[in-house]
Amino acid sequence: EAGVVQSPRYKIIEKKQPVAFWCNPISGHNTLYWYLQNLGQGPELLIRYENEEAVDDSQLPKDRFSAERLKGVDSTLKIQPAELGDSAVYLCASSTRQGGGEQFFGPGTRLTVL
Amino acid sequence: QKEVEQNSGPLSVPEGAIASLNCTYSDRGSQSFFWYRQYSGKSPELIMSIYSNGDKEDGRFTAQLNKASQYVSLLIRDSQPSDSATYLCAVNEWSGGSNYKLTFGKGTLLTVNP
Repeated sequence: EAGVVQSPRYKIIEKKQPVAFWCNPISGHNTLYWYLQNLGQGPELLIRYENEEAVDDSQLPKDRFSAERLKGVDSTLKIQPAELGDSAVYLCASSTRQGGGEQFFGPGTRLTVL
Repeated sequence: QKEVEQNSGPLSVPEGAIASLNCTYSDRGSQSFFWYRQYSGKSPELIMSIYSNGDKEDGRFTAQLNKASQYVSLLIRDSQPSDSATYLCAVNEWSGGSNYKLTFGKGTLLTVNP
């Protein structure tokens, strides 16, 4: 069974530029999560989808971040414009059920904003 | 602010020893508990999940949960150099329906010396 797929793996951009990350969850996983991880910290939730519905986006900085999961499968996270402080690893995870089942992470995208 | 605290590292043990990793959490409503292993430059990998009080064993790994004390631990027996990684404790706080959130600790860096 294929795991969570993310692309790109690395991205270097200049501040004020836009950037987008893509995630394809494990087949059959209806719940998809985007996390941000800074060095030396645990992952922090940005947004959670149940199928195509964003059910928790309370931690998503909506002035510059947006996300979509139009068909309830793959998802895109966008930052526009990027700031220096956005440099981090962006992780996508998926799980099979609501209520907090086991979450499986993709390899992540390491973003560097110059 | 609901918190997940892990014993500060780094933790260094000799090969073959037992490594003990500890985690406390603040929310008594927490329902499920997970341990993730994260190698440097990689994404978190789920290694153990535990949902009820007591011990759960899987190979060389044993997770222990005490909800009354709000404490969860991970024991690694016969530690190997390949176990050297950061171990993240994650606690799922569920308040009914679709209201849940996985909160991670900052992680404990484990080094197993040959």
